[in-house]
Amino acid sequence: DTEVTQTPKHLVMGMTNKKSLKCEQHMGHRAMYWYKQKAKKPPELMFVYSYEKLSINESVPSRFSPECPNSSLLNLHLHALQPEDSALYLCASSQEGHVLEVYGYTFGSGTRLTVV
Amino acid sequence: GEDVEQSLFLSVREGDSSVINCTYTDSSSTYLYWYKQEPGAGLQLLTYIFSNMDMKQDQRLTVLLNKKDKHLSLRIADTQTGDSAIYFCAERSSNSGYALNFGKGTSLLVTP
Repeated sequence: DTEVTQTPKHLVMGMTNKKSLKCEQHMGHRAMYWYKQKAKKPPELMFVYSYEKLSINESVPSRFSPECPNSSLLNLHLHALQPEDSALYLCASSQEGHVLEVYGYTFGSGTRLTVV
Repeated sequence: GEDVEQSLFLSVREGDSSVINCTYTDSSSTYLYWYKQEPGAGLQLLTYIFSNMDMKQDQRLTVLLNKKDKHLSLRIADTQTGDSAIYFCAERSSNSGYALNFGKGTSLLVTP
């Protein structure tokens, strides 16, 4: 299995809802990432998990709460989002610390989130 | 993070070559990547180059790296209408926790 799987593919939620995005990989990668991408803009890094511990939080508002239950799973819990949070949320994984492993950096196909 | 700059738009005729340019500032970059994104789709890795290389060719794609000037280019030979997309340059370095730092993307339009 050489994929990063994200669910759901599409999500519409109200501003008072609580929802979660899920990401899963079985490649033995020890680093996992959340990126946010607005239309026609580059992906922006949100969080980095390394060996299941949060190593980078790029000043993301607390209405986004990441969780890494184990080395294969990464969640992003959403609560009280705003319409401007509507975007494509991309998960990625890589071989932690192994910058020579270029093929070890893999993106999921993303969850397209709409906040109404 | 460090800046990665790209020109925003490029328009070429079908059959011509396209050259998309990128500059970066992080001297500790180890790998540099080119991703393609079609409308409504995710990111597709096109090719990459390691920082100790100066050229890489992969079928219609040629990547040139000038490490001294921190300049990267992607040449697409015999450009087709299916190549119309946004192309992102990205760098990966230990300074960013091995995350990718993307340029703003170049919109390539291929006209018949």
